Amino acid sequence: EVQLVETGGGLIQPGGSLRLSCAASGFIVSSNYVSWVRQAPGKGLEWVSIIYRGGERYYADSVRGRFTISRDNSKNTVYLQMSSLRAEDTAVYYCTKAETNAFQSWGQGTLLTVSS
Amino acid sequence: QTVVTQEPSFSVSPGGTVTLTCGLTSGSVSTGNYPSWYQQTPGQAPRTLIYNTNTRSSGVPDRFSGSVLGNKAALTITGAQADDESDYYCVLYMGSDIWVFGGGTKLTVL
Repeated sequence: EVQLVETGGGLIQPGGSLRLSCAASGFIVSSNYVSWVRQAPGKGLEWVSIIYRGGERYYADSVRGRFTISRDNSKNTVYLQMSSLRAEDTAVYYCTKAETNAFQSWGQGTLLTVSS
Repeated sequence: QTVVTQEPSFSVSPGGTVTLTCGLTSGSVSTGNYPSWYQQTPGQAPRTLIYNTNTRSSGVPDRFSGSVLGNKAALTITGAQADDESDYYCVLYMGSDIWVFGGGTKLTVL
């Protein structure tokens, strides 16, 4: 059974940095595509980033240059390193296993609040 | 910048049929956008309903179906039930390894 567990959210000041983790089980992250999707409070879903099995990484315009997706194959974990955080980055961040051009499995999410 | 559009809200009677759509502010949706659909209830993670336009995810009842109708992707719920009352999101592959979600449709069953 595929499981994704996000951790690392919390309260951070504007301009700060934080790293989210997505621990996967039931599949091997290095053989699959893993993506981050976020949802601001009371708002819709927004695609953030994806890492392919070959290691290629892609980002939404809203986070490119500030966020970096990576993975640790030994820990079967995907990360989202976030810097220069803004109030508008406040959201629940979901980790998803992407396959067949869709986001097939979802974690329960971790809440990031950017506020002074 | 192209935006993915969805009806903000929709209402359906129990047992009725409703079609939610997913379009583009510029251009038409095609199967090459690999439209997928997600259901979300408050406080919960999204659940994948449909992918690759019309393939149901495991465990999804066959009263949920996907298609391309005209220039939009569509999610049709046939025989709506009370627990279908949720937010529904589509996402489209825009090429260049970029995905864009629609703003979501809040479906009321009453």
